[in-house]
Amino acid sequence: KNQVEQSPQSLIILEGKNCTLQCNYTVSPFSNLRWYKQDTGRGPVSLTIMTFSENTKSNGRYTATLDADTKQSSLHITASQLSDSASYICVVSSYSGGGADGLTFGKGTHLIIQP
Amino acid sequence: NAGVTQTPKFRVLKTGQSMTLLCAQDMNHEYMYWYRQDPGMGLRLIHYSVGEGTTAKGEVPDGYNVSRLKKQNFLLGLESAAPSQTSVYFCASTPGPFRGYTFGSGTRLTVV
Repeated sequence: KNQVEQSPQSLIILEGKNCTLQCNYTVSPFSNLRWYKQDTGRGPVSLTIMTFSENTKSNGRYTATLDADTKQSSLHITASQLSDSASYICVVSSYSGGGADGLTFGKGTHLIIQP
Repeated sequence: NAGVTQTPKFRVLKTGQSMTLLCAQDMNHEYMYWYRQDPGMGLRLIHYSVGEGTTAKGEVPDGYNVSRLKKQNFLLGLESAAPSQTSVYFCASTPGPFRGYTFGSGTRLTVV
């Protein structure tokens, strides 16, 4: 069964500090890995999408890395801001044709930025 | 440009009642999806559509029906609501596979 495990479940850091969120997956076949940000009471918003051949991708202060050999990804947030408080969801696609993308969602890491 | 709009935002149903959740997108996307999000679980796919007039079952389709009569709209129906269907429902759309999804802001449904 395809699985996506995220750690930590929750994290509290001070404003201005950096942090790194982890994602381990057992998904086959692998198509791409995505990170989403979900604010409380809102839908997820895409941060990055990485394919097998990409090992790093940035979106402003967010940098995602992918190690397809060890099936691990991380999301690094630099110089955190209060607006970064949200859940961060790792999603892995096992699309192999057809209609659905074969997405497996992690449970998310709940990040709280304290002033 | 509104993106993906879901209505209603909140709803309380009694067990056995029926209702329809509406998802509308203005980006001319071919693919549309309905997910549910429950505490302590990742999003789970209910039904999806790869184009106007097509629908297919996802991971947890039981108790739900869908229709995509127009490209921009994707409807999710509950014929006889059950407490187990208490959840937050998200609609998403994308131009095609390998592309990022645009999610709506969700419908919080409580079945009592």
